[in-house]
Order: sequence, then C-alpha cells, then structure tokens
Amino acid sequence: QSALTQPPSASGSPGQSLTISCTGTSSDIGGYTHVSWYQHHPGEAPKLMIYEVNRRPSGVSDRFSGSKSGNTASLTVSGLRAEDEATYYCNSFAGNNNWVFGGGTTVTVL
Amino acid sequence: QMQLVESGGGVVQPGGSLRLSCVASGFAFNHYNMQWVRQAPGKGLEWVTFISLDGSDKNYVDSVKGRFTTSRDNSKSTLYLQMNSLRPEDTAVYYCVRDSDWSYNIWGQGTMVTVS
Repeated sequence: QSALTQPPSASGSPGQSLTISCTGTSSDIGGYTHVSWYQHHPGEAPKLMIYEVNRRPSGVSDRFSGSKSGNTASLTVSGLRAEDEATYYCNSFAGNNNWVFGGGTTVTVL
Repeated sequence: QMQLVESGGGVVQPGGSLRLSCVASGFAFNHYNMQWVRQAPGKGLEWVTFISLDGSDKNYVDSVKGRFTTSRDNSKSTLYLQMNSLRPEDTAVYYCVRDSDWSYNIWGQGTMVTVS
C-alpha cells in the first residue's frame, strides 16, 4: 500500500497549461483504468475532477483532462485560472478492495 | 440534494476509542459501496477503509487493521467507523465518501479526530 508519487508543487501563469503526473506500479495505475483526480481547497471537502482515467463528472470544466500511459497517470489543466490554485490528488484502485492516493501536488497560479 | 454528514469526532487519549457516524441523504444508500478517507494535519489524503453495499466485503489500510472496524446500517442510511486502540498518528480529519464508478463523487464535510 505505497502512496502514488506526485510532484509536491507545480505552477503556471494564467492562461497557460499545466500537467501533473502521478506514478504508481503495475499493481495499481498500470493494472486498472480506475484512476481519479481530486481538487482540494483548504477548509473544504475535496472535489472529484476526473474519474476512470479521463472522464469528467457533470459540472467540471472541460479545461480539466486526464490520461494514462503505463504506470503513470496525468492531469492537465488548460487555460489556468486563479481559482485553480489548490492541491490535487490522484487516486487508484489497487486490487482486492484496496485504494491508494498520491501525496498531492500544490498548484500555484503565478 | 445528495449529502453525507459525519459526526462523532473529538479528542481522545491514546489507547481510547471513538465511533464515527456518517448519515447519507438524497440517494439510495444501499446501492453504493462506501469508504472512509482521512487527512492528518499538514499531510495528504489517505484511504482508510472500504465496505461493500451490503456490508459483506470490507478492507482496511494496513495501519488500522485490527483496530478499526467499518460497518453500515442500510435501514438508517448510516455508515460507521469504530476506532479502537487509537494512536497519535490517527489524528486526522475523517471523511465519509460515496464510491461510484471507482471514485469518490460525494464527500462529507469531515469530522476531526484528535488523539492526545
């Protein structure tokens, strides 16, 4: 049950695109399509942004997109806005009713 | 609207026990697997436990196995987390989450547990 690996921080200017990586193993990300991403603002409950690698829940901006290659998943935020400043967490199913989160990436909009 | 409301958090001494509750509303609780996720102060999110929609399947993160027990009462639309032998490292905000399409699309507001 080792945590997925995310960069601790990322930054970009308004309007730019930014991609956050999430690296696991063949036992989690590489073995399943059940990868999701969450946006977390301090003091609030986390919010689901992407599920099943690249599906967006109703109401989530199409500026957010997800992908996966091998053991690494990615979240891309296009057209960065000030309100995108938050911590982003990836999550993957790891088999046998186990789930695992990444350590989180704090995004700063410059 | 669809909602999860946790309660039962508080301050407890090491070795003590607490029971968290999570009441669901606005959706058919018995149609969904449920989970608990926690966040320690200054740390990231951590998956804690899974329970299937009928309560027949459960699993836990290694650090709480043998100490925490998850259960549910579908007649009351309520999820529980019994936490025994609490340790300082269990200090965290505990979130109840609805498992849908292998992701957490509904979160409670969280309840704080402090072991000190």
